[in-house]
Amino acid sequence: EPEVTQTPSHQVTQMGQEVILRCVPISNHLYFYWYRQILGQKVEFLVSFYNNEISEKSEIFDDQFSVERPDGSNFTLKIRSTKLEDSAMYFCASSAPGVSIQYFGAGTRLSVL
Amino acid sequence: GQQVMQIPQYQHVQEGEDFTTYCNSSTTLSNIQWYKQRPGGHPVFLIQLVKSGEVKKQKRLTFQFGEAKKNSSLHITATQTTDVGTYFCAEIFGNEKLTFGTGTRLTIIP
Repeated sequence: EPEVTQTPSHQVTQMGQEVILRCVPISNHLYFYWYRQILGQKVEFLVSFYNNEISEKSEIFDDQFSVERPDGSNFTLKIRSTKLEDSAMYFCASSAPGVSIQYFGAGTRLSVL
Repeated sequence: GQQVMQIPQYQHVQEGEDFTTYCNSSTTLSNIQWYKQRPGGHPVFLIQLVKSGEVKKQKRLTFQFGEAKKNSSLHITATQTTDVGTYFCAEIFGNEKLTFGTGTRLTIIP
């Protein structure tokens, strides 16, 4: 069964460093998303991406965040200068056109020290 | 902004007992989806409800959408240890963002 894959599974970084979280969405999906989940809390929307541009972003997704689809398969989330409060699980998701079901990857746990 | 609240936040049940989680919105929902997240796992889609008063069943799981489309519930009959996890309701518009509820964490006492 097709699945969304995310790498790395765990990323440890120092405060102020840049991190790039990588995702490979399901191949025929055209809508891509990033969510985050702080430990023990609900899943929060960050950004949605379609047709090579951001279609919607939340208040969390400030200038420190950016997304990119550098090639036909990868979808990345970059945090330019990490803060302690960026520590969370980051989930990538994708969906097919006309289908509102989103498929989530296993997540990347980001730990900012 | 829109808030989707779930109650209870935590539920501990004996294996074999029933479990219900409730999802309430401050605004009318266009539709509601339910997701399950196993401990240490990722959200997995369970079902989508669209119509007012809709009821859907998946084996031991029963999902309801309120008549006013402001609330929803998930009921599990005769819980099993495999039901452990956090259950989230979420609203979605088309291919846009999911707005997740606060979740109900279910633990099962064997």
